[in-house]
Amino acid sequence: QVQLQESGPGLVKPSQTLSLTCTVSGGSISGSYYWSWLRQHPGKGLEWIGYIYYSGRTYYNPSLKSRVTISVDTSKNEFSLKLSSVTAADTAVYYCARRTTGTTGFDYWGQGTLVTVSS
Amino acid sequence: QSALTQPASVSGSPGQSITISCTGTSSDVGGYNYVSWYQQYPGKAPKLMIYDVTNRPSGVSIRFSGSKSGNTASLTISGLQTEDEADYYCSSYASSSTYVFGTGTKVTVL
Repeated sequence: QVQLQESGPGLVKPSQTLSLTCTVSGGSISGSYYWSWLRQHPGKGLEWIGYIYYSGRTYYNPSLKSRVTISVDTSKNEFSLKLSSVTAADTAVYYCARRTTGTTGFDYWGQGTLVTVSS
Repeated sequence: QSALTQPASVSGSPGQSITISCTGTSSDVGGYNYVSWYQQYPGKAPKLMIYDVTNRPSGVSIRFSGSKSGNTASLTISGLQTEDEADYYCSSYASSSTYVFGTGTKVTVL
């Protein structure tokens, strides 16, 4: 059974860079999957941030593209998110998730981690 | 990219059927057969219920079904049960390999 687990600081100062890692267990990250980051503002809906194929090809939400970097480390079976120049509007629960090639649903999700942007 | 439009809330009695709509544009819902639906309980991660408009992942109840007409997709829950009370989100693949989500619908079982 594939499991995803987010990790990283729960508090980030304004203007700094938010950094999160998603560790994949129960399966290899080097398969026909797109590894994704999504977020949910408190009491609000879901927002797709972007995803990466294990080969390194990335796709980003146009509204966040200038601030987002997603990378993958196949040796550690993990992938990461960096969001620069954060503001209070980036306070949200951040989820990592998997999308299988050939389908378009996100079939496995991490439990989510709350990141608060505050000085 | 604008969020897909869903009704804020839908309710029904146990045993009834309800339908949640998800309206987009020809650039997302109408342009691709790539709509997914997610169920989310408070404080929990979303769970995939339907993918590619009509497909159910293994383990999802057959009471959940999806469809699409033009720019509007729908999720139908038949034989409503108390455990179905949750938030539901639609999502669509859109141009340039991006994704857009719906505004979310709170389902209440009366």
